[in-house]
Amino acid sequence: GENVEQHPSTLSVQEGDSAVIKCTYSDSASNYFPWYKQELGKRPQLIIDIRSNVGEKKDQRIAVTLNKTAKHFSLHITETQPEDSAVYFCAARIGGGGADGLTFGKGTHLIIQP
Amino acid sequence: NAGVTQTPKFQVLKTGQSMTLQCAQDMNHEYMSWYRQDPGMGLRLIHYSVGAGITDQGEVPNGYNVSRSTTEDFPLRLLSAAPSQTSVYFCASSFGTFGGAVDEQFFGPGTRLTVL
Repeated sequence: GENVEQHPSTLSVQEGDSAVIKCTYSDSASNYFPWYKQELGKRPQLIIDIRSNVGEKKDQRIAVTLNKTAKHFSLHITETQPEDSAVYFCAARIGGGGADGLTFGKGTHLIIQP
Repeated sequence: NAGVTQTPKFQVLKTGQSMTLQCAQDMNHEYMSWYRQDPGMGLRLIHYSVGAGITDQGEVPNGYNVSRSTTEDFPLRLLSAAPSQTSVYFCASSFGTFGGAVDEQFFGPGTRLTVL
C-alpha cells in the first residue's frame, strides 16, 4: 500500500516569515495530494489540493508543489500569521478508478512566533 | 446543510463492551469513510463505502464493522471494545469516488472514545 512520510514534525517560524512542509510518497500510482489543517480539538479541513497532472497550485498565501519523478510534494505558506498555527497533514491517494481512502502523513505542528 | 454529523461526541466504554458510532451526511455524497486519529500517527483509514450496500476495509479494520443501508448513514460498530481502540474517530464523506471532478473529503466533528 501507499506510505506517506511528512517532515518536520514540528516547525516554529516568526510571524511574517515563510513555512515549508515536505511530504514523500511511495506509490507512483498516487494521483491526488490534499493538505489538511487541523486546529486543536477540531476536525481536519482541506486547505489546498493538487493532482498529478499539475506541478504547482497557489491560493493566496498558500501554495503546493508536486515533483512526480521524485515522489514528493510540499506545502508553502508565505507571510505567516498567528491564525496559521495548527497541525498540518499531507495525504496521498492512489488513482485508477478505485475508491479506497487517503493515506495521511503523521502531521506537522506549525507554531507561529509573534 | 448540517454537513457531516457524528454522535456521540464523547464516550467511555469498558473493555468488552460494544457500541455504535453514528455518522450521517446530508450532502448526497456517495463516498463515506471512517478514520481513527491517534497522537503522532495522523489519520488511518478503518473502513469506507462507495455507495449504499457497498463497504470495504481500509488500513486498520480489525475490531470494527460497518454497514451502509442508506446514502446518508454510515455507522461504525465496535464489537468488543479494547483499550487499543481508545482514539478520536472521524467520519468523512465526498461527492464522488476518487478520480472524479470533486475529491474533497468533508470531515465530521469527531468522537472521542476512551476504553478502560
